[in-house]
Amino acid sequence: AQSVTQLDSHVSVSEGTPVLLRCNYSSSYSPSLFWYVQHPNKGLQLLLKYTSAATLVKGINGFEAEFKKSETSFHLTKPSAHMSDAAEYFCVVTAFSGGYNKLIFGAGTRLAVHP
Amino acid sequence: ETGVTQTPRHLVMGMTNKKSLKCEQHLGHNAMYWYKQSAKKPLELMFVYSLEERVENNSVPSRFSPECPNSSHLFLHLHTLQPEDSALYLCASSQDRTTVYEQYFGPGTRLTVT
Repeated sequence: AQSVTQLDSHVSVSEGTPVLLRCNYSSSYSPSLFWYVQHPNKGLQLLLKYTSAATLVKGINGFEAEFKKSETSFHLTKPSAHMSDAAEYFCVVTAFSGGYNKLIFGAGTRLAVHP
Repeated sequence: ETGVTQTPRHLVMGMTNKKSLKCEQHLGHNAMYWYKQSAKKPLELMFVYSLEERVENNSVPSRFSPECPNSSHLFLHLHTLQPEDSALYLCASSQDRTTVYEQYFGPGTRLTVT
């Protein structure tokens, strides 16, 4: 069965320092993986996606993620945090079941950015 | 309007009321979804529609009744809700339901049941 585990429920960084949000996945076949971001009182916005092409995926707002099959990981990184990055981040794996592709969401990681 | 829109953005209702949530997508997609987001719980998929046909109903109580009159519009009719139904209800759409396409989300309706 497909699942994702976000290893940290909260991450706090200072503005200008690197961001690392960790995600491990479990999949019985080659997965597709996404990172979504949710700012307060907003819907979810797609940051980036991996669909079996390049293992290093670049997304919006300077974020990137690397698919590592040997480690079953898909960690999200950004070289330098900005105050506007403060939000909740969701790692997502797809699963095909019941005739459609469904998104399996992790529990989320809340990122705080301090001046 | 672009993307996925939802109305109302906030809704307060009593347990005996009947109300409806509306979702509209302007992306030409064929699949639409309702999710429930409660505090401290992962996002829960409620319903899936593909080309106006309901594909999935994830054991959702009958006090939630979806309607998809066309591929651009999705409604969630609410009646005799419980306080534990208070949550953020998110609508999403994707190009179709079988290919691995990302889903695009609306801003959500924050529902409070009193």
